[in-house]
Amino acid sequence: SQQGEEDPQALSIQEGENATMNCSYKTSINNLQWYRQNSGRGLVHLILIRSNEREKHSGRLRVTLDTSKKSSSLLITASRAADTASYFCATVRGRTGANNLFFGTGTRLTVIP
Amino acid sequence: GAVVSQHPSWVICKSGTSVKIECRSLDFQATTMFWYRQFPKQSLMLMATSNEGSKATYEQGVEKDKFLINHASLTLSTLTVTSAHPEDSSFYICSAYRGPGPTNEKLFFGSGTQLSVL
Repeated sequence: SQQGEEDPQALSIQEGENATMNCSYKTSINNLQWYRQNSGRGLVHLILIRSNEREKHSGRLRVTLDTSKKSSSLLITASRAADTASYFCATVRGRTGANNLFFGTGTRLTVIP
Repeated sequence: GAVVSQHPSWVICKSGTSVKIECRSLDFQATTMFWYRQFPKQSLMLMATSNEGSKATYEQGVEKDKFLINHASLTLSTLTVTSAHPEDSSFYICSAYRGPGPTNEKLFFGSGTQLSVL
């Protein structure tokens, strides 16, 4: 990818379980964002975490950021079938702004009803 | 919310023809729009950055004469795939940036265009 790697590449879980996806990146960042993509559709922004933040919550989502390890994780709690999608992390390099937003390789999550 | 409309959703064309894809920000002015390309089950690859009223900035390896980008207004950017060939078949996605600000760093995406070149 242009910026980072995600693992696992694919994840299949039962409804109600938690799903954890990891993202590693290569360069210094201003912020890191997570997006969701349903099959054959555009991306929807989920959550943004800044380089000076370590953890952030939004509903059933929990994101952590470890700048020393250049890694982030996305946790989806109490998963639902509707959470089935691909999830991408994206990083912004350099100055604040949406310039140079590069995406990781993505994790394809399947939640089995 | 911020809505980005991308049209068409899918297009099938013959090899050698040109295809134009439109990306519109419906309820905000987008100073910058981005064009991405995505292959099946792969990530998004940034192709170019489109700034209103100026030439687009292309990523390394992207042919600017092949992928013509025009950002004629603050709400419209177009990507034209010229003389399309089967290897240009892909999913193309645009996104729009609302402008600087503490809550404006996320991007708003169109729904994508699936291009199939026969």
